Amino acid sequence: QKEVEQDPGPLSVPEGAIVSLNCTYSNSAFQYFMWYRQYSRKGPELLMYTYSSGNKEDGRFTAQVDKSSKYISLFIRDSQPSDSATYLCAMSLTGGTSYGKLTFGQGTILTVHP
Amino acid sequence: DAGVIQSPRHEVTEMGQEVTLRCKPISGHNSLFWYRQTMMRGLELLIYFNNNVPIDDSGMPEDRFSAKMPNASFSTLKIQPSEPRDSAVYFCASPGITGNTIYFGEGSWLTVV
Repeated sequence: QKEVEQDPGPLSVPEGAIVSLNCTYSNSAFQYFMWYRQYSRKGPELLMYTYSSGNKEDGRFTAQVDKSSKYISLFIRDSQPSDSATYLCAMSLTGGTSYGKLTFGQGTILTVHP
Repeated sequence: DAGVIQSPRHEVTEMGQEVTLRCKPISGHNSLFWYRQTMMRGLELLIYFNNNVPIDDSGMPEDRFSAKMPNASFSTLKIQPSEPRDSAVYFCASPGITGNTIYFGEGSWLTVV
């Protein structure tokens, strides 16, 4: 079993839909949770960053962390064709110098069609 | 800030050849991370440096892989000899302004034939 599980999709939605992306994890020691967006043939781009449990909102994007369930989510409201990309969840154990030691999910391929 | 800069962007080489990938991290930080992305295994950490010193190289697949960070503004990842199974995208990442997460370069797309 992988430490971080993410449904690879693909997920196809119409423009304007609400998108829900999810990851589960097995290591309860994870403290930092991130979502990256990766366009085709590009590097991962940091989208959202949260520490421990709770919600964080940034524009059309909302990240949720439920540590008790070992479950994180990313919601995209009013989805746009430009949101079409692969979305990767990532987690790390601690801060300090190891905060960049990330464990990634497999990524979910999202297509938003006009 | 130009972000993380990697070179070459694309490399096609023959099995057995030496491959050197280069990275210039975001200035002002002293940590650097090398990741590899494949369809089968996704994104995996190979090695990371702090203050130019390798801290954790447990992700380096085998002795054919080596990495150096001679100064705070430059790092290399070398594969010698290369094999077809090394074909992947290699990413370099470094901390950003907030210093509590990392930002990736555009990657080096390696094909070993």
